[in-house]
Amino acid sequence: KAGVTQTPRYLIKTRGQQVTLSCSPISGHRSVSWYQQTPGQGLQFLFEYFSETQRNKGNFPGRFSGRQFSNSRSEMNVSTLELGDSALYLCASSEGVGGELFFGEGSRLTVL
Amino acid sequence: DAKTTQPTSMDCAEGRAANLPCNHSTISGNEYVYWYRQIHSQGPQYIIHGLKNNETNEMASLIITEDRKSSTLILPHATLRDTAVYYCIVRVPHGSSNTGKLIFGQGTTLQVKP
Repeated sequence: KAGVTQTPRYLIKTRGQQVTLSCSPISGHRSVSWYQQTPGQGLQFLFEYFSETQRNKGNFPGRFSGRQFSNSRSEMNVSTLELGDSALYLCASSEGVGGELFFGEGSRLTVL
Repeated sequence: DAKTTQPTSMDCAEGRAANLPCNHSTISGNEYVYWYRQIHSQGPQYIIHGLKNNETNEMASLIITEDRKSSTLILPHATLRDTAVYYCIVRVPHGSSNTGKLIFGQGTTLQVKP
């Protein structure tokens, strides 16, 4: 069974631009959550989706948004990028809410 | 904020058992203890979890104290590939609105040495 797939793996943007990251969960998994990892703040929860509905949201500004499609694939978007948004963005999926999370390899975003 | 505290770093000799401690003194009665690890530049990997009984799987053993205020992850025969950051996480149970949300602390960097 294929694991969690995140695209793109690496990307470089400039301040003020926006970015969309994609996550394909493990087949059959309906819950997707997103995390941001930076050297200073560590791993921080962004949001969680289940059956196309956002169940939970972390303490991030409104520039960070996400959505989930009917096939459980998820995207997250960051608008008006700032230098501090440079991070590894990790997606995780689980069969249902509260199940073991399986993480992807992440999308590494660099904002110049 | 994370509800767990872990040592920042630990060393272990290859082939020996690695014992990683975690304090979670404010854990609630229905919260589980989860362990994940993150090898450099990869996504975190689930290791094991438990409520109050000791647990063992093919990767590790989890020992939870009777008062549930601390736990120890045991890698019985550490290899160089076990070098990683290990995260101990307290997680709310199924049925809670927050159950899908993991709060990571800074973790323990385990260095397995030849």
